[in-house]
Amino acid sequence: EVQLVESGGGLVKPGGSLRLSCAASGFTFSSYSMNWVRQAPGKGLEWVSSISSSSSYIYYADSVKGRFTISRDNAKNSLYLQMNSLRAEDTAVYYCARDDVLSRSAGYYFDYWGQGTLVTVSS
Amino acid sequence: DIQMTQSPSTLSASVGDRVTITCRASQSISSWLAWYQQKPGKAPKLLIYKASSLESGVPSRFSGSGSGTEFTLTISSLQPDDFATYYCQQYNSYSPKALTFGGGTKVEIK
Repeated sequence: EVQLVESGGGLVKPGGSLRLSCAASGFTFSSYSMNWVRQAPGKGLEWVSSISSSSSYIYYADSVKGRFTISRDNAKNSLYLQMNSLRAEDTAVYYCARDDVLSRSAGYYFDYWGQGTLVTVSS
Repeated sequence: DIQMTQSPSTLSASVGDRVTITCRASQSISSWLAWYQQKPGKAPKLLIYKASSLESGVPSRFSGSGSGTEFTLTISSLQPDDFATYYCQQYNSYSPKALTFGGGTKVEIK
């Protein structure tokens, strides 16, 4: 059974940093590109970042470019999101999600999602 | 970036109704469109990909159609489990890569 479990969320002050993790199991993690998608409270879904299976292709939404860094450790079956210079508008539930397409690149559509981890940016 | 516009934003319907949700892209995305269902407090669930391909395990009452800039998600006979919010998502853009979701359509009990 495919499982994605996020962790690392919490309350952080504006300008602060946080690192999210996503532990994957039930599939060959190193074969799939992965993504982060967020959802502000009561709002819609927003794509954040994508990373290919070998980390060769990395993409970011303009809203987080230069502040967030996506990475992965295939030996540990884990996906990460380093979030720096956090703003109030980054407050959201952050989901990790698996691409349903096996490709050299990343960022398609998502067949498995984690349960999400809440990040709250507030003073 | 490609903008995705869903309509309506809210839809009131009864069990057994045929329901149609529309998603329009600001430019052609060929058939590179997915549909998701989300229930409160839960992660989204993939329903349809490549505009009309049904994800494994999804009931056949769900169907998708369209290409270019206009797409529809149809539920042929609404069931109690289908009351949720639905999102479209385009995955056409490559340079730069920018995936975008529609604003969502909440399907409520009439």
